[in-house]
Amino acid sequence: ETGVTQSPTHLIKTRGQQVTLRCSSQSGHNTVSWYQQALGQGPQFIFQYYREEENGRGNFPPRFSGLQFPNYSSELNVNALELDDSALYLCASSASGGSTDTQYFGPGTRLTVL
Amino acid sequence: EDQVTQSPEALRLQEGESSSLNCSYTVSGLRGLFWYRQDPGKGPEFLFTLYSAGEEKEKERLKATLTKKESFLHITAPKPEDSATYLCAASLPSNTGKLIFGQGTTLQVKP
Repeated sequence: ETGVTQSPTHLIKTRGQQVTLRCSSQSGHNTVSWYQQALGQGPQFIFQYYREEENGRGNFPPRFSGLQFPNYSSELNVNALELDDSALYLCASSASGGSTDTQYFGPGTRLTVL
Repeated sequence: EDQVTQSPEALRLQEGESSSLNCSYTVSGLRGLFWYRQDPGKGPEFLFTLYSAGEEKEKERLKATLTKKESFLHITAPKPEDSATYLCAASLPSNTGKLIFGQGTTLQVKP
């Protein structure tokens, strides 16, 4: 069984640029959630996609957007990058969009904004 | 406001010295309490899910318990390889998939 994978591992961008991060869900899972983790903090919920629809969203501005594809893989897009966007971006997959389902995390993408 | 708080922020133990990590939550209608382990620069690794007060789960040297206000992660006779950051997270009644995480407890076990 393949776990959650993310690409790229690391990324360096400059302020104002746009970035796309990718996530492949675990086999058999149809739900993907994205989190932002600043250094020394717990992950913060960005949004969740369930069967290609946004199922819920945290307190992040509209320049954070996402997609989920028919194979349940997902993308996180961030426009107009700011210095504070530097963080570890985590993707998690679960078997369904339910609040009791366990979310399994990928290794993350480290984004640095200069 | 829904909130999860972990204590202590950091914990140093000698190998074999048992201790507990605390996770306090103020969440209306908690649906589940999750524990994860995170090694530096990596994604969180799932440990346990607890759904109702009084529930307990064990895995090797770890045991998680849940009350109506808090959860504990008990570590019995820890080894250096147990060194990591331990995160707890609460899920809400709304089916948005949102987990609210605490800031984590960083555990260091010295040989």
